[in-house]
Amino acid sequence: AQTVTQSQPEMSVQEAETVTLSCTYDTSENNYYLFWYKQPPSRQMILVIRQEAYKQQNATENRFSVNFQKAAKSFSLKISDSQLGDTAMYFCAFRSYNTDKLIFGTGTRLQVFP
Amino acid sequence: EAQVTQNPRYLITVTGKKLTVTCSQNMNHEYMSWYRQDPGLGLRQIYYSMNVEVTDKGDVPEGYKVSRKEKRNFPLILESPSPNQTSLYFCASSSDRTSGSYEQYFGPGTRLTVT
Repeated sequence: AQTVTQSQPEMSVQEAETVTLSCTYDTSENNYYLFWYKQPPSRQMILVIRQEAYKQQNATENRFSVNFQKAAKSFSLKISDSQLGDTAMYFCAFRSYNTDKLIFGTGTRLQVFP
Repeated sequence: EAQVTQNPRYLITVTGKKLTVTCSQNMNHEYMSWYRQDPGLGLRQIYYSMNVEVTDKGDVPEGYKVSRKEKRNFPLILESPSPNQTSLYFCASSSDRTSGSYEQYFGPGTRLTVT
């Protein structure tokens, strides 16, 4: 069975600095998708970025980028130029190519300080 | 506007009193799913549906029922709620994975408290 591990329950960063959130996963499959979701205090689940396992190039969305290491089964999220609005819970999620089910990590609570 | 709606957003109830949380999507998605979110556990899938009249258990189905009579609706039913079902519930939908679309769209969440 696939598992997703986020080993940092909480992190903090100063505004305008860069922070990296860690995520590792376990799977025996070769084709799959990885996601980072943001959950602000409003509790809404917001897709931040996604990565297809067959793509070697790391995904980037504005200030958000990932470091995808397929062999190491690692999928970290880098937030550059952190903003107060980035304060949220961040979830890493895995989806097998053959299903629509998302498997989530336990989340990392990020606090951005002025 | 493309969206997933859930009702109610907040619910406080007592043990054993049957309740239904509704979920509706306006994107003609085939796949719908229910998750519960608990502190320290992330989100876990309760039930899912691949299409009308096709449902199956997720990872934590005990104490829940679902139905999919129409493509847009996927209600979650708690026949006899218990305090351990106090949680934050999310409905999500996505188009068929063969379409190449990866994203699941989430509803706003339902905070349920069972006393």
